[in-house]
Amino acid sequence: DQQVKQNSPSLSVQEGRISILNCDYTNSMFDYFLWYKKYPAEGPTFLISISSIKDKNEDGRFTVFLNKSAKHLSLHIVPSQPGDSAVYFCAAGDNYGQNFVFGPGTRLSVLP
Amino acid sequence: EAGVTQFPSHSVIEKGQTVTLRCDPISGHDNLYWYRRVMGKEIKFLLHFVKESKQDESGMPNNRFLAERTGGTYSTLKVQPAELEDSGVYFCASSPIRTSGSYATQYFGPGTRLLVL
Repeated sequence: DQQVKQNSPSLSVQEGRISILNCDYTNSMFDYFLWYKKYPAEGPTFLISISSIKDKNEDGRFTVFLNKSAKHLSLHIVPSQPGDSAVYFCAAGDNYGQNFVFGPGTRLSVLP
Repeated sequence: EAGVTQFPSHSVIEKGQTVTLRCDPISGHDNLYWYRRVMGKEIKFLLHFVKESKQDESGMPNNRFLAERTGGTYSTLKVQPAELEDSGVYFCASSPIRTSGSYATQYFGPGTRLLVL
């Protein structure tokens, strides 16, 4: 039973356009959410996070939106660049994020 | 500052053999985590150390897996005897102890790719 779902296994976007990656969760106790980016043969790299007291967090080209009532969060990348091509994992945690549950990942391809 | 390192980067063993994976966390990080990703699926939590103590080992699949963190520095994860379904990428992550009201981001190592034949 997956507590964190990323229903799109892959996404292709044209360079310069917006990429929107979605994540849904089922556990209402989750109060902290992160996005990680993973290149082949490397470990996941922290990208951006959001706590449940906020509904938006922005860092440069990356913005994460949280809709607690829908148990849904999304990562927006604007503008998308070819170097953004990677697998993006959504992760959720409770108890101040001591342990995280990861989604299956979405492979983003940004086409030049 | 050095990141989380893992050794070996790859390991190919036969069913029934033993393999030991090592993780060196970021210096000063008391929290150390082991995760596993199988067949390109989600990254699954295995266990969590706080210094040398096991805080949560609820994700360990069975007693063929043994994790240690003697001295609260590096950690090892031993699989004995290895089975085919143990193949996957084993990630280690570390984080500092969280302060009240804050959140501690986990920093991941590059992973060890284990293939059991």
